[in-house]
Amino acid sequence: AQSVTQPDIHITVSEGASLELRCNYSYGATPYLFWYVQSPGQGLQLLLKYFSGDTLVQGIKGFEAEFKRSQSSFNLRKPSVHWSDAAEYFCAVGSDNNDMRFGAGTRLTVKP
Amino acid sequence: ETGVTQSPTHLIKTRGQQVTLRCSSQSGHNTVSWYQQALGQGPQFIFQYYREEENGRGNFPPRFSGLQFPNYSSELNVNALELDDSALYLCASSFYPDRRSNGYTFGSGTRLTVV
Repeated sequence: AQSVTQPDIHITVSEGASLELRCNYSYGATPYLFWYVQSPGQGLQLLLKYFSGDTLVQGIKGFEAEFKRSQSSFNLRKPSVHWSDAAEYFCAVGSDNNDMRFGAGTRLTVKP
Repeated sequence: ETGVTQSPTHLIKTRGQQVTLRCSSQSGHNTVSWYQQALGQGPQFIFQYYREEENGRGNFPPRFSGLQFPNYSSELNVNALELDDSALYLCASSFYPDRRSNGYTFGSGTRLTVV
């Protein structure tokens, strides 16, 4: 069955520092992979997605992610974090059951 | 282009009661999925509706049911509410058959509290 693991429950970075959020997936075929961001009490906003082609994908708000099949990973990166990036980040994989499987999320705190 | 709208935003119910949550899909989308997000967890898939029929279901009991209407809007019904049903319920819409490649557009959710 498809699954997603986000190893880091909580990450704190200083404003202006670089960021990498880890995501590992389990899926037999070529996966459909997504990163979503959720602000407190809000729904999910799509940051970026991958399903084929260039393994480095660009998203909104300056985020990018790299698909590495050999490592079953889809890590999210941003070169310089802004205070407004503080939120919960979810990695998800599209499954065969017409749904998406989400990881447990990584909460990002940005220090001034 | 309108996004996904959900109503109500907050709801408090008593254990054993029934609740109906509503969702209007994004313009141009024909598929609606419902997710339950407990506090501190990722969203869990409840079910998906396409062409007014259930088109996939997660590990939720039959007291969770739904409807999709001809205008692609949807309802989530939960009977015999339990305390563990307290969660944020998210509706997401997409366009079949591209949903897996394009992803889903989520609403802001309905916060259900069962007391």
